[in-house]
Parts: sequence; structure tokens; C-alpha cells
Amino acid sequence: KNEVEQSPQNLTAQEGEFITINCSYSVGISALHWLQQHPGGGIVSLFMLSSGKKKHGRLIATINIQEKHSSLHITASHPRDSAVYICAVPRIQGAQKLVFGQGTRLTINP
Amino acid sequence: GAVVSQHPSWVICKSGTSVKIECRSLDFQATTMFWYRQFPKQSLMLMATSNEGSKATYEQGVEKDKFLINHASLTLSTLTVTSAHPEDSSFYICSARLARTSTDTQYFGPGTRLTVL
Repeated sequence: KNEVEQSPQNLTAQEGEFITINCSYSVGISALHWLQQHPGGGIVSLFMLSSGKKKHGRLIATINIQEKHSSLHITASHPRDSAVYICAVPRIQGAQKLVFGQGTRLTINP
Repeated sequence: GAVVSQHPSWVICKSGTSVKIECRSLDFQATTMFWYRQFPKQSLMLMATSNEGSKATYEQGVEKDKFLINHASLTLSTLTVTSAHPEDSSFYICSARLARTSTDTQYFGPGTRLTVL
């Protein structure tokens, strides 16, 4: 079993839909990262969170440390949100090295 | 926010040549930088951890003599792919850890796509 599991692996939706991407992890962590990778390959750090919820524009990230689960939500999705979304956690709690999920490929159709 | 740049963004080279990729933290000091490699449709794989002023720590299976890493300052780390071969073609990404915080904050560069002919 992978240390970091994302679901779904692929997601296609229509513009305007509410999107949820899930991440479950088995290691103990102090913080979880959500990253966005566009088709060109560039990676953008979306969130780093260790508890509760964070919001940035139409993006919301939540984390439940006890359940070792995090979700990334996109409200009013838009075609420009099409990308691969990756969650990552430190391999060991407090460590710097990250373990990455396999990514969720999101496609938003107009 | 913290910005990390990489140069070049893409490079095509002949087999046997060496290629240098730069990773810079533009508005913060980074005591630690990480180098990742990503093959098509795969996730990022950590290659090495680079600490300013000291030797890099390589992950198992990564040849340190082939992938030379230099972290000469708090804002610059370089990865040199020596004697590149077609199997080294990949997307190389760096990340930098903020020096002033003890949290796990990392900021990622945009990546460099290397194609070896």
C-alpha cells in the first residue's frame, strides 16, 4: 500500500461543478502539501496545512489529522483548473523529504 | 509569496554532453534545496537533498557522479547531468525550504524539461 493515496486518479467534470479530490496517508505528519501541476509541467504550491481548513480563492483544503485524510475542493470549476493535483507529506513527521501521491488528473470541460 | 526559479526551462542536448540546471530562490534564503525527477505520467521522485555549504545527500539508486549538485549559496543550487544519455530525458524539478521557519514549507520551481538525443 502506498504511503500516500489519492482518489480519484482521473476526474472529468463540466465547468461550474464542485470538485473534490481526496488524499489519504499512512505516515505521521506535521503538514501536508497540495500541489498543482499544469500540462507544461510547472508545479505550483497551493497549500501547506497542518490542521483545519485553508481557503484561497476558489480553492479550499481541509485536513483531518486523526483520520489521516485531506481533501482539496474547487468551487465553480473552470477549464483553466485543468491540471494534475498532487498531495505530498513528509516521509517522517517533521522531516523535510516529501512522499508524493500519484496525482489526480482533473479535466474541466467548457 | 516565496518564488523559486529554474533555468533553463527546457534544454535539448546531444548524448554525451553535460547539462547544468540552476535553481534559485528569488526572495528568500533556502538552507535546503531538493532535486526531483519526474518521468511521463509518474509522480515526482526525490533525487537528492542539497544543503548550503555541504555535500548533497543522494537517494538510493541515484548516481552522485552522474548528477552533480552544488549548493554554493543560500539562493542557488545547481544540478549538472554529466555525460547525458537518452534515458536521462526527464522533467527535473527543484524545491527550496524556507530558512527562517521550522515548518515543512517547501516551494517548488517550475521545472526543467531535458531531452537527450
